[in-house]
Amino acid sequence: EIVMTQSPVTLSVSPGERVTLSCRASQSVRSFLGWYQQRPGQAPRLLIYGDSTRATGIPARFSGSGFGTDFTLTISSLQSEDFAVYYCQQYDNWPFTFGPGTTVEIK
Amino acid sequence: EVHLVESGGGLVQPGGSLRLSCAASGFTFSDYYMDWVRQAPGKGLEWVGRIRNKANGYTTEYAASVKGRFTISRDDSKNTVFLQMNSLETEDTAVYYCVRGNNGFDFWGQGTIVIVSS
Repeated sequence: EIVMTQSPVTLSVSPGERVTLSCRASQSVRSFLGWYQQRPGQAPRLLIYGDSTRATGIPARFSGSGFGTDFTLTISSLQSEDFAVYYCQQYDNWPFTFGPGTTVEIK
Repeated sequence: EVHLVESGGGLVQPGGSLRLSCAASGFTFSDYYMDWVRQAPGKGLEWVGRIRNKANGYTTEYAASVKGRFTISRDDSKNTVFLQMNSLETEDTAVYYCVRGNNGFDFWGQGTIVIVSS
């Protein structure tokens, strides 16, 4: 099983700041990596897939990069609605696995 | 617009069974793989399983934690996917999400809550 790790666990930021979240896979997942946002009380939603493609309706302030084992999600200017938990997920190998999540909270 | 609506959750005793349903709309259901993902209270996301489309033989994949106890099926005539859960354990308590398996998981339902408790 591929183990996904995320850092940091929690990030305290102010609105308008640039945010960078990291995700690492225990072995290569090529570009089969997704990023999800989960707001409190809501279902997750797909932000980025194929390591760098924004999903439908996702604002341009969200971007992804990386390949193989190391990936990054960047939010260029944090908005109030972006305070949430962010998960990465690999869908290259069975079983599909998620990282433990990074909580982005208001500073 | 894509919609996924889960139903069938509830309270069940350990060792019991439950069948979840997910009604899909807004896309050609029969073309897509469908997955189930769960989230235990206050925890992260765990992939449960997948069913492929007819073109790929309706084959299935399962997480080790549910293999042999859970079964995913689908009825393309009703645009519905099912999760049959048997031999339920307290550790199966979670919100269960129905998910479209495309480019990762591109659409999610709102989830249905399953509580396994005596």
